[in-house]
This record gives sequence, structure tokens and C-alpha cells, in this order.
Amino acid sequence: SQTIHQWPATLVQPVGSPLSLECTVEGTSNPNLYWYRQAAGRGLQLLFYSVGIGQISSEVPQNLSASRPQDRQFILSSKKLLLSDSGFYLCAGHGQFMNTEAFFGQGTRLTVV
Amino acid sequence: GDSVTQMEGPVTLSEEAFLTINCTYTATGYPSLFWYVQYPGEGLQLLLKATKADDKGSNKGFEATYRKETTSFHLEKGSVQVSDSAVYFCARSNAGGTSYGKLTFGQGTILTVHP
Repeated sequence: SQTIHQWPATLVQPVGSPLSLECTVEGTSNPNLYWYRQAAGRGLQLLFYSVGIGQISSEVPQNLSASRPQDRQFILSSKKLLLSDSGFYLCAGHGQFMNTEAFFGQGTRLTVV
Repeated sequence: GDSVTQMEGPVTLSEEAFLTINCTYTATGYPSLFWYVQYPGEGLQLLLKATKADDKGSNKGFEATYRKETTSFHLEKGSVQVSDSAVYFCARSNAGGTSYGKLTFGQGTILTVHP
């Protein structure tokens, strides 16, 4: 079955520090991959998605970037964190065929202090 | 743009109580609608879905009906259990309705069920 491993589960980082969140996928090849974020009191918002290695689409302007160096690896990064980057980050995947459902990692709770 | 508005929580119920969590969506395109659940310490899991108007999704005693006329997809369960305590997210697929990965979510509703 398809699985996403996402780590760490919680993270506390100072303002101005760099960020790297990684997720890896098992059980499928060539998935579409997604990064979502939930800020306090709001729904999950799509930040980035990728349909293949090196292909990244950004949905909203922000302080973050994403990369996909390997088929089953998706990384969310920032050079300098802002307080407003705090939130719950969720990595998700979707198989090649449109009749398959998305599958999710456990999420990372990021607090920027 | 696409949006989903979900009943705010937290919701606290006694075991065997009736549950309703309201969800409405913007009516652009022909979206598929979903309810996801996140149990403590776990990732989001698909609870149920409906892909067209009047479809009813059901799973584990939960039900939701795709109501195009009211743009709603309310989640219901007749008798909740302590094990149903979780965060529930309503979601719609984005414009085009074909990519189940690009989703618009509601803000989530925390459900706590007491014995």
C-alpha cells in the first residue's frame, strides 16, 4: 500500500533559521506529490505540488520553496523562517491514475519562535 | 476561488450521541467531495467520498450526501463511540474535479467523545 513518511512530527525553530522538511513515498512510483499547510484557525492550504522529478508548481506566494530531487522524495525548505511560517505541514501523494485517492503523511507541527 | 467552510469546533459528545458536522463548498465546477479523518498521532485518512450530486458516501457508520442544491456535504453518524475522537476535515477537489490530490480543505473539526 502507499505510504508517506514525513518527519519530524514537531519542530521548534527560531526566526531567521533555515528549514528543511522531508517526505518520502513508498508503495508507488511516479506519484504526484503535494505540500499543504494549516495555519491556526484555517483550513489546509495547498502550497506546492509536483508531477515529477524537478517539477514544482507553487500555488501561493510565500517564504518557502519545494524541491523534488528523486521520484519519491519531496522537500520543503526555507532559507530564513518567519513567525508566520508556523503551522501544521502535511505532505500528500496521489497515484498516476485519477481514480485513486490521495494519501497523507502524519504531518509536522512547526513553531517559529 | 474554491473554498470549503466547515463547522467550527471543538465538538464534545457523549458516547452514543448523534453527530453532525456541517460542511459547505463553493459551487465552481463539478467537484468531488471528501471527508478525511485524523486520529491522534496518525496521518489523514480518507473516511468517505462522493463524486457527483446526490451520491451518498458511507464508511464506519458515517454518512454524507452530496447536495448540489445547498452546496453541502454534512457528515453524520447516528451513534458515536469514544474511538471516533479525532479531527475531521471536509474537502473538495479543485477545478476540473479530476485530481484527487489537489484539494481544498475546511479548517477541521475536533471531535471528542466521552464515555
